[in-house]
Amino acid sequence: DAGVIQSPRHEVTEMGQEVTLRCKPISGHNSLFWYRQTMMRGLELLIYFNNNVPIDDSGMPEDRFSAKMPNASFSTLKIQPSEPRDSAVYFCASSRRDRTTDTQYFGPGTRLTVL
Amino acid sequence: AQKITQTQPGMFVQEKEAVTLDCTYDTSDPSYGLFWYKQPSSGEMIFLIYQGSYDQQNATEGRYSLNFQKARKSANLVISASQLGDSAMYFCAMRDQSGGSNYKLTFGKGTLLTVNP
Repeated sequence: DAGVIQSPRHEVTEMGQEVTLRCKPISGHNSLFWYRQTMMRGLELLIYFNNNVPIDDSGMPEDRFSAKMPNASFSTLKIQPSEPRDSAVYFCASSRRDRTTDTQYFGPGTRLTVL
Repeated sequence: AQKITQTQPGMFVQEKEAVTLDCTYDTSDPSYGLFWYKQPSSGEMIFLIYQGSYDQQNATEGRYSLNFQKARKSANLVISASQLGDSAMYFCAMRDQSGGSNYKLTFGKGTLLTVNP
């Protein structure tokens, strides 16, 4: 079975540009998570969707960040305008909420560099 | 508040030997889940093993086993017969399974394991 798919794998952009990260969760999973990983702060949960509805966006750093999940098989994380401090690895993860273990499976990540 | 502590920033092990990576946690929730993830240098996060707080037996998955000591609030990962490919960062994580935030994973800071030939 295909795992979580993220694109692009690497993104280099200039400050002020719009960046869109994409995620396709595992088929049949009804929860989707966006994380950011940096050396300084480790793994941070940015936003959590359940059944395509945003449940918790308290981790979104500021209004420059937005996330959508228009259907069960696709989500985007957008940064507009991007800043150098947004440079990080962004992970998407998905899970089945009706399973006891509710294990989150991560995608390969998008390494974002903002110059 | 949840807390995960991984006290070993780095560990070294000889190939074919066993190694234990430490993880202690703190929660007031009686129902919780503990997870271990592996992050190799390529960057992906790979799920390894899960232990539920009510599970009677320690979890095992191939060469991975979880030494779960509930009274001590520890969930150490044991890797048997280490291989060079086991060299990676290992993260312990916990999720409370009751309450309004029962979707949140709290991660430790990780342990960097190096397997020497």
